[in-house]
Amino acid sequence: GAVVSQHPSWVICKSGTSVKIECRSLDFQATTMFWYRQFPKQSLMLMATSNEGSKATYEQGVEKDKFLINHASLTLSTLTVTSAHPEDSSFYICSAGGGGADYEQYFGPGTRLTVT
Amino acid sequence: DQQVKQNSPSLSVQEGRISILNCDYTNSMFDYFLWYKKYPAEGPTFLISISSIKDKNEDGRFTVFLNKSAKHLSLHIVPSQPGDSAVYFCAASAYSNSGYALNFGKGTSLLVTP
Repeated sequence: GAVVSQHPSWVICKSGTSVKIECRSLDFQATTMFWYRQFPKQSLMLMATSNEGSKATYEQGVEKDKFLINHASLTLSTLTVTSAHPEDSSFYICSAGGGGADYEQYFGPGTRLTVT
Repeated sequence: DQQVKQNSPSLSVQEGRISILNCDYTNSMFDYFLWYKKYPAEGPTFLISISSIKDKNEDGRFTVFLNKSAKHLSLHIVPSQPGDSAVYFCAASAYSNSGYALNFGKGTSLLVTP
């Protein structure tokens, strides 16, 4: 149980284009979904928290107009990187709460984004 | 400001022995602590958690100890197996208006040698 999927697993895009990453909770309803970013050999940095049907809460320093988050249903959240630049290249991971205890989060497999 | 710290970037242990991974935190408002295991280019896998009202939680080969006064927790793996080789992240959680967001340490890379 508590399985979270992400799609795509990797994507290469050109500078200036937009990329959408999907995060789905497959066997539970995710009341809250989280988006993280991980640079090589670094920790996971929380970008934003989203609750179904409401606007996402962004962490300090994260541009909300650049990283658009939509939590349309209890099983789906999307992250759209708009006007991507090479410095946006990173490993993006989503997680979902609601599959176990309130504080537990279950992570997707991640998406490797490369912007050329 | 790193609120969760894992000061050992790597650890090497022989198969069958005990692995001890350490974690320190600074925020006394954290009320849950979690350990995740992660392989390269994959998402973290939840291992074990502990509430701040407890000092020990055990699940099979994994035991987490919490010392609130020292703001320190540790993960013990015994006996260690080669399949345990991975990066282990310590995470701490406090409830906010956004729910239970996690603060992660930088991870400790564990290598279990045969």
